Amino acid sequence: QKEVEQNSGPLSVPEGAIASLNCTYSDRGSQSFFWYRQYSGKSPELIMSIYSNGDKEDGRFTAQLNKASQYVSLLIRDSQPSDSATYLCAVDSGGYQKVTFGIGTKLQVIP
Amino acid sequence: DTAVSQTPKYLVTQMGNDKSIKCEQNLGHDTMYWYKQDSKKFLKIMFSYNNKELIINETVPNRFSPKSPDKAHLNLHINSLELGDSAVYFCASSPDNSGGASDFGPGTRLTVT
Repeated sequence: QKEVEQNSGPLSVPEGAIASLNCTYSDRGSQSFFWYRQYSGKSPELIMSIYSNGDKEDGRFTAQLNKASQYVSLLIRDSQPSDSATYLCAVDSGGYQKVTFGIGTKLQVIP
Repeated sequence: DTAVSQTPKYLVTQMGNDKSIKCEQNLGHDTMYWYKQDSKKFLKIMFSYNNKELIINETVPNRFSPKSPDKAHLNLHINSLELGDSAVYFCASSPDNSGGASDFGPGTRLTVT
């Protein structure tokens, strides 16, 4: 069973701080990694995708991938109350379009 | 203009009934998906289609049958509905087959009583 693990939270950070969201996965053959944001009662939104080891930055978001440690993370700089949502990690498993999601980490940004 | 649309938004029905959910995307994407999000908010892929061809068929009961009449549409038909089918069903699309859906529909909340 291919697994993607996340701490369900909630993770509380003060406004302006860096939020660090973590995800581990079990399939060493995974090649594609995704972070989604889901507000309560809404559909998921793709924030970042990462395919190579290292960091990938997009605005206030940075995705970090370490395939050796089977670990992917999402950093949100200058966290805002509007960032409060559940963040879903998704990992390609079994190849071709088959993506497994983690349970999601609920982030609360405190004003 | 809505990118990925689903109808209906809410569906309440009784056990044993048959129902369909329709999905359309106007993004010109090649790949479409159906996901199920259960009461614990766990999101799981059910099916994916690439250019009308079925690519992924997860361990979903064969009461669920997807149909893709063209690249822009992916419908989901469910026979003999059961209580455990109650969930939010999301349609999604992506421009390629990298695996990560880039655009989700608003979801259809299915309640089976």
